[in-house]
Amino acid sequence: KNEVEQSPQNLTAQEGEFITINCSYSVGISALHWLQQHPGGGIVSLFMLSSGKKKHGRLIATINIQEKHSSLHITASHPRDSAVYICAVTLATSGSRLTFGEGTQLTVNP
Amino acid sequence: EAGVAQSPRYKIIEKRQSVAFWCNPISGHATLYWYQQILGQGPKLLIQFQNNGVVDDSQLPKDRFSAERLKGVDSTLKIQPAKLEDSAVYLCASSLTGASGGFRAETQYFGPGTRLLVL
Repeated sequence: KNEVEQSPQNLTAQEGEFITINCSYSVGISALHWLQQHPGGGIVSLFMLSSGKKKHGRLIATINIQEKHSSLHITASHPRDSAVYICAVTLATSGSRLTFGEGTQLTVNP
Repeated sequence: EAGVAQSPRYKIIEKRQSVAFWCNPISGHATLYWYQQILGQGPKLLIQFQNNGVVDDSQLPKDRFSAERLKGVDSTLKIQPAKLEDSAVYLCASSLTGASGGFRAETQYFGPGTRLLVL
């Protein structure tokens, strides 16, 4: 079993829909990261959080430390949001290295 | 501010050949990471440097992979000899890591990656 599990693996939505991607982890962490990867490989860090909720534009990330669960929400989705969204954690015992989930492929159709 | 630079962007080689990748991190970033991302999977850490020292190379296949960061700035990752299963995207990332040391969570900045195909 992976230390970081994401669901769903694939998600297709219509433009304007509210989107939720979930991430569960089974280990102690010092922080959880949400990253975005577009075709071509480049990865961009969206959020790093260790408690509560963060918002940036149409993106919202929440984390529940007790339940070891995080969600990434996208409001008013747009085709340019199509990408792979990756959840990663910084383990409490392993310094600053990241442990990644498998990613969620999001496709937003016009 | 310039981002993390990597070259080449693409490489095609035959199995048993050798290949090298180069990474230049963001200026002033002490920590540098090399990740391997196989198609359809999340990245996997190969090696982490803090300045010119190795912090973590536990998942580096040392029989064929090597990496160095001699002057604590840019880094090279080498595969010799390559196998078919080495086909992947090789990502370099860097993070600031303040004077208090590298053992804390911080944002990592990724390069565009090098896509390797081994035939």
